[in-house]
Amino acid sequence: RKEVEQDPGPFNVPEGATVAFNCTYSNSASQSFFWYRQDCRKEPKLLMSVYSSGNEDGRFTAQLNRASQYISLLIRDSKLSDSATYLCVVNINTGNQFYFGTGTSLTVIP
Amino acid sequence: DTGVSQDPRHKITKRGQNVTFRCDPISEHNRLYWYRQTLGQGPEFLTYFQNEAQLEKSRLLSDRFSAERPKGSFSTLEIQRTEQGDSAMYLCASSRDRLQETQYFGPGTRLLVL
Repeated sequence: RKEVEQDPGPFNVPEGATVAFNCTYSNSASQSFFWYRQDCRKEPKLLMSVYSSGNEDGRFTAQLNRASQYISLLIRDSKLSDSATYLCVVNINTGNQFYFGTGTSLTVIP
Repeated sequence: DTGVSQDPRHKITKRGQNVTFRCDPISEHNRLYWYRQTLGQGPEFLTYFQNEAQLEKSRLLSDRFSAERPKGSFSTLEIQRTEQGDSAMYLCASSRDRLQETQYFGPGTRLLVL
């Protein structure tokens, strides 16, 4: 079983829509959680860390459910510029190995 | 620009040749990571350095792969006797040595083995 699993999509949504991505992880000892964004043929860039209490950054909300071992990302009022691949990342041993999901592809349509 | 840099950005080689990639992390970052990414997949962890010490190696890192970080600053990743299956994007990332610290990625080296 993979350490991190994501629905690869693609998700095609109209501008202004709300879209949610989920990601599940297999190791209950996982300690740190992140969402990264990757544009086509570019390197991944941190979108937001995910904290136990959940956190929000503008139109983006991330939540962690340790009991069910999943994290989520909610994007409100989608913009064309949100089109990218969103990668779920889990760190099990602090500072050591980071496990990336396969990514979820989002296209926001005018 | 004080971000992570990688060199070269692209490399085309013939099967059986050796290749070496370089990564220069952000200067105050003592953690350095190498990943491999193929089309449609997320980055896969290869190895991790804390300063000059290589602390973790993935089972993906066969004996044809070797990485060094001799002075705890830049790092090199060498692939010997390249195979077509080595074709991928090789990404380097660095971070500070703190809990939940963000990794910053370089632009990657895209390798094509013919």
